[in-house]
Amino acid sequence: EVQLVQSGAEVKKPGESLKISCKGSGYSFTSYWIGWVRQMPGKGLEWMGIIYPGDSDTRYSPSFQGQVTISADKSISTAYLQWSSLKASDTAMYYCARSGVGESFDYWGQGTLVTVSS
Amino acid sequence: QSALTQPASVSGSPGQSITISCTGTSSDVGSYNLVSWYQQHPGKAPKLMIYEGSKRPSGVSNRFSGSKSGNTASLTISGLQAEDEADYYCCSYAGSSTYVVFGGGTKLTVL
Repeated sequence: EVQLVQSGAEVKKPGESLKISCKGSGYSFTSYWIGWVRQMPGKGLEWMGIIYPGDSDTRYSPSFQGQVTISADKSISTAYLQWSSLKASDTAMYYCARSGVGESFDYWGQGTLVTVSS
Repeated sequence: QSALTQPASVSGSPGQSITISCTGTSSDVGSYNLVSWYQQHPGKAPKLMIYEGSKRPSGVSNRFSGSKSGNTASLTISGLQAEDEADYYCCSYAGSSTYVVFGGGTKLTVL
């Protein structure tokens, strides 16, 4: 069974750093792109970026380029999304999702809620 | 890259059919037959309902169907059921540099 399991909710202060994770299982982790999607409170889905764990090829949405870093450790089948200096506006639910057939996101993690507040 | 345009809300009665539109440009929806649709219930992760414009993943009801004409894709739900009440998002591939773009989402209310 394909599963993406994300790390737990985080509460951080502005200016702090953060790295959240997404562990894949039940499939060849290195053979599928993994994307990250932001959902701010009460808002829609926004594609942030995507990584191919096989060779760490990474693409970013122009809206998120330079704001976050996406990485992966294929030895432990885990993708990461990290911030070096959080802002209150980073408060959101973050989902990882596997990119399958036709560039669709066929499997999703349960989401990681990030709250940034002083 | 601008988001794809969806109506903010649609509604229908049980048993009826509804269609949600998703309008893009010649750089995304119009150029590729790679539109996907997602259903999201409150507090839940999105679920893939349609991929490659009109294909259903295993386990998705055949009441859900997708189509495309020009720069506009559509999701049709027939035989509306109470459980269909959710937010729906379209998504289109937009080339190797942009990768994908989502629509703003449509709230479906089953009256």
